[in-house]
Formats: sequence, C-alpha cells, structure tokens
Amino acid sequence: GQNIDQPTEMTATEGAIVQINCTYQTSGFNGLFWYQQHAGEAPTFLSYNVLDGLEEKGRFSSFLSRSKGYSYLLLKELQMKDSASYLCAVMDSNYQLIWGAGTKLIIKP
Amino acid sequence: GAVVSQHPSWVICKSGTSVKIECRSLDFQATTMFWYRQFPKQSLMLMATSNEGSKATYEQGVEKDKFLINHASLTLSTLTVTSAHPEDSSFYICSARAGGYNEQFFGPGTRLTVL
Repeated sequence: GQNIDQPTEMTATEGAIVQINCTYQTSGFNGLFWYQQHAGEAPTFLSYNVLDGLEEKGRFSSFLSRSKGYSYLLLKELQMKDSASYLCAVMDSNYQLIWGAGTKLIIKP
Repeated sequence: GAVVSQHPSWVICKSGTSVKIECRSLDFQATTMFWYRQFPKQSLMLMATSNEGSKATYEQGVEKDKFLINHASLTLSTLTVTSAHPEDSSFYICSARAGGYNEQFFGPGTRLTVL
C-alpha cells in the first residue's frame, strides 16, 4: 500500500529552527510537495522536490532523498505566524497526490 | 498568478437539501480539478478527480450519486452535495492543476454545516 509518515505534532521556540520529517512508500514517484495549512484555511503551497537535494526558499528549505524515501522541511528563524499544520504529499505514478496526515507545529514565545 | 476561488465560503443548510459549491481557476486553465473533504483535526481526503469534459473519477467509498461533480469548462468545476445530512458537514476544498504541471493550487475552501 501507499503510506506517508510524518510526526503528529512538534513544538519549537520563536526564532529557532525546526525540521519536520516525512517518509514515504508509494507506487511510483513524481515529486514531493510541502503545504502549509493554518487552522480553518485551505493548504498553501510551500515547496516541490523531484530531484535529490536541498531546495531553499527564504526561511523555508526542503530536502529530498528518493533512495531513502525521505524528505524534510526546515523552517528557520521561526515566527509565531508559522504555527500551522505542515502537510507532506507525494505524487505517485498516476499523478495523484498521496497526503500525509500533517504535522501540527506549535511555536512558543 | 495561479488563483483558485471557491463559492460560497460557508453555507448552512437544512438536512435533505442540496448544496452546490463552485470552484474556479481565475488565471489559468485547469485541465484537472480535485475535490477534497477535511474533517476537524484530520488530513485532507481526496473525494474525486475530474478532467474537463469527462466524468469524474471517485475515490473508494465516495458515493457518486450523492456528490455530483461537473467539470464543464477549463475554469469551472462544481460539486453538488445532494440530500445533505449532518454527517456531510465538513470543510470542502477544491484544487486545480494546469496541463503539463504537477502542482495543485487550492481554493480557500467551503465550510458546510448541515443542520
């Protein structure tokens, strides 16, 4: 079966760095997405990785290792507004997105 | 660019009535649109995938006769919840994807409450 695993909840301090991990087992691979979702709102796109390595975009970076079925989202200089759920999703061989359950990130002052 | 709108943002209806939700891609042509449902504190659940001009493909467990999807143009898809019941109360989110691209752009969601 297809499976996406990410931690249910994480807590970090304002100004610090946090890494949210995602492991996956899917039938085929056409890229991995990270989305941010604030409570009561729809997801917003953060990053897309299809090749191995690190993609940096401002305070957010995303890493992918296809051989290990592993990705992480790195958030630097955390701000209170970063408190949200972070969703990992993998596009399978049918170009369907397989979603993780999301990681709720709590930022403390 | 890549803006997707949904209407209405929220709706309250009586049990047994039907509700139509519209999803529009405002600045691109969406060859594929997706409908998701999300219950509180749960992840997104894909309900169906629709390609413009063809019948939607429903996920297992989603009743096609209850959740009617129409994708008549490259910028509009509609989801009609027929004979809604309280258990259909949820956050319904659409997303759209342009041809040749992998990224899905999400609408803001529609919160449905069935009394």
